[in-house]
Amino acid sequence: SQKIEQNSEALNIQEGKTATLTCNYTNYSPAYLQWYRQDPGRGPVFLLLIRENEKEKRKERLKVTFDTTLKQSLFHITASQPADSATYLCAPVGVEGGKLIFGQGTELSVKP
Amino acid sequence: NAGVTQTPKFRILKIGQSMTLQCTQDMNHNYMYWYRQDPGMGLKLIYYSVGAGITDKGEVPNGYNVSRSTTEDFPLRLELAAPSQTSVYFCASSPDRVNQPQHFGDGTRLSIL
Repeated sequence: SQKIEQNSEALNIQEGKTATLTCNYTNYSPAYLQWYRQDPGRGPVFLLLIRENEKEKRKERLKVTFDTTLKQSLFHITASQPADSATYLCAPVGVEGGKLIFGQGTELSVKP
Repeated sequence: NAGVTQTPKFRILKIGQSMTLQCTQDMNHNYMYWYRQDPGMGLKLIYYSVGAGITDKGEVPNGYNVSRSTTEDFPLRLELAAPSQTSVYFCASSPDRVNQPQHFGDGTRLSIL
């Protein structure tokens, strides 16, 4: 069955550094993948979508890559700030299409 | 813009009680979804709807029911609350199911004791 895995351990980095979060998927090939940010006590907020024919997508300080050979997406935040501290969820579209399958999320903490 | 609004924000139920979690969106989105999120776990899809009058089961539908009488509203019903249903419930909407971001409410935190 389709399986999504994100770094289970929290990621702690220093302000100004680049944060890199990993999302691995197995047993299928999603046509696209979305990334969301979730703050404590709030619902997820959409950040970026990348399609299988796109190797890389950028939005301001955010960059997402999609390697269909490795079955992996990387999410980068450059020049990280304490305000970037949150949990980040990857969500590839499922095998049936249309419905997203969410990873468990990676908690990012950026220290000043 | 209100976006997706969920009520109540918090609720404590006794085992066997029933309740309805409300969800309404003002973006005229066709697709609506209900998820549950348990600690350390990803969001699990409970039910979804592609338009008024049409609903379908997601990954974890047992113990829940939904209805979609209008485009705006998508309530989730728990008939006989069980401790395993203690969770945070999120409602989301999107214009359609392909390549569109989902817009989430801020959740209902439900405890069954």
